[in-house]
Amino acid sequence: AQSVTQLGSHVSVSEGALVLLRCNYSSSVPPYLFWYVQYPNQGLQLLLKYTSAATLVKGINGFEAEFKKSETSFHLTKPSAHMSDAAEYFCAVSRDRGSTLGRLYFGRGTQLTVWP
Amino acid sequence: DTAVSQTPKYLVTQMGNDKSIKCEQNLGHDTMYWYKQDSKKFLKIMFSYNNKELIINETVPNRFSPKSPDKAHLNLHINSLELGDSAVYFCASSQGASGGRYFGPGTRLTVT
Repeated sequence: AQSVTQLGSHVSVSEGALVLLRCNYSSSVPPYLFWYVQYPNQGLQLLLKYTSAATLVKGINGFEAEFKKSETSFHLTKPSAHMSDAAEYFCAVSRDRGSTLGRLYFGRGTQLTVWP
Repeated sequence: DTAVSQTPKYLVTQMGNDKSIKCEQNLGHDTMYWYKQDSKKFLKIMFSYNNKELIINETVPNRFSPKSPDKAHLNLHINSLELGDSAVYFCASSQGASGGRYFGPGTRLTVT
């Protein structure tokens, strides 16, 4: 079975501080991994995705994530938080690699608050 | 130009009514989805269509019926609405099953 665990439903940082949002997955096959951001009353926006190329994936808005197979992790980081980064962040994992199914399983989300 | 659009954005209705939500994507993607986000923001796949063919139906009550008239459109019809159907419904699309999903703005359904 596929599952995604986001550690910490709420993360608070000061503006300019490092952002670290944690995601661990369980998968019996190499997965595809995604991070999405959701601003209030909006849809989800794709930040970045890992599909087995480079293990360090760079995304939009200065975010990046590193795939660590040994730790089954795909944590999201940003060196310096900005007020506009305040949002809900979702990690997602897709199994059915190479098939047309492509079920995407989402974590429960992490609410990021950025303090001035 | 909006990549994935949904109408309506808000839908308030009474129990027992039938309603529809429309979705259109102009990205040229071949796969479209419906997701449900509950009050705790948990997202769950409902349906997936690939080239107008139903691929995934995740134990959704048969009161929910998706229809894909063409690759660019995926509509969701809900019969006999119940209080528990209140949620935000998101349409999404991707190129192939492994592609990143592009989400619409969501439809907030409130059943009273």
